[in-house]
Amino acid sequence: EPEVTQTPSHQVTQMGQEVILRCVPISNHLYFYWYRQILGQKVEFLVSFYNNEISEKSEIFDDQFSVERPDGSNFTLKIRSTKLEDSAMYFCASSDGSFGNTIYFGEGSWLTVV
Amino acid sequence: SQQGEEDPQALSIQEGENATMNCSYKTSINNLQWYRQNSGRGLVHLILIRSNEREKHSGRLRVTLDTSKKSSSLLITASRAADTASYFCATDASGGYQKVTFGTGTKLQVIP
Repeated sequence: EPEVTQTPSHQVTQMGQEVILRCVPISNHLYFYWYRQILGQKVEFLVSFYNNEISEKSEIFDDQFSVERPDGSNFTLKIRSTKLEDSAMYFCASSDGSFGNTIYFGEGSWLTVV
Repeated sequence: SQQGEEDPQALSIQEGENATMNCSYKTSINNLQWYRQNSGRGLVHLILIRSNEREKHSGRLRVTLDTSKKSSSLLITASRAADTASYFCATDASGGYQKVTFGTGTKLQVIP
């Protein structure tokens, strides 16, 4: 079965550093998403992306965050200047956008900011 | 507004028993999805039920949806130790399905 793949699986970074998390969505999907889950907490929506632009974002997704689809296959989340509170599992997801669409998630990227 | 509140928060049962988890939400939805998450792992899609459906089955899973009460339930029959995980409902708001909002989850422990 096709799957969403994410890299890296785990990254440790110094506070203030920039981080790029990478995702390869399922190939025929049109909608892409980033979610995050702080340890022990609920899964929180960050941003959705369609037709090469952000379609919706949450209040968490501030100016420190950006997303990009640099080519036909990758979808990236950049955190410009990481803070301790950015430590979380970040999930990429994709869907084909049809009614009744299932959203498929990757295994996640653990980000630890020290 | 907060969508998807599951109850109970935690559930512990013996292998072979049935497990029922409930989800309530606040606004009208297009679809409701249930996901499983093993500790530290990704979210695995289990089942999707559309707003015009009332019940859906998949293997040992049975999902119901009551849009008048804005609630859903997930029943796992004949549970196994491998079912131990957190279970989340996720809803997409009517009028746009460009994001789903997750509930707080039910942590299920199945004791062998």
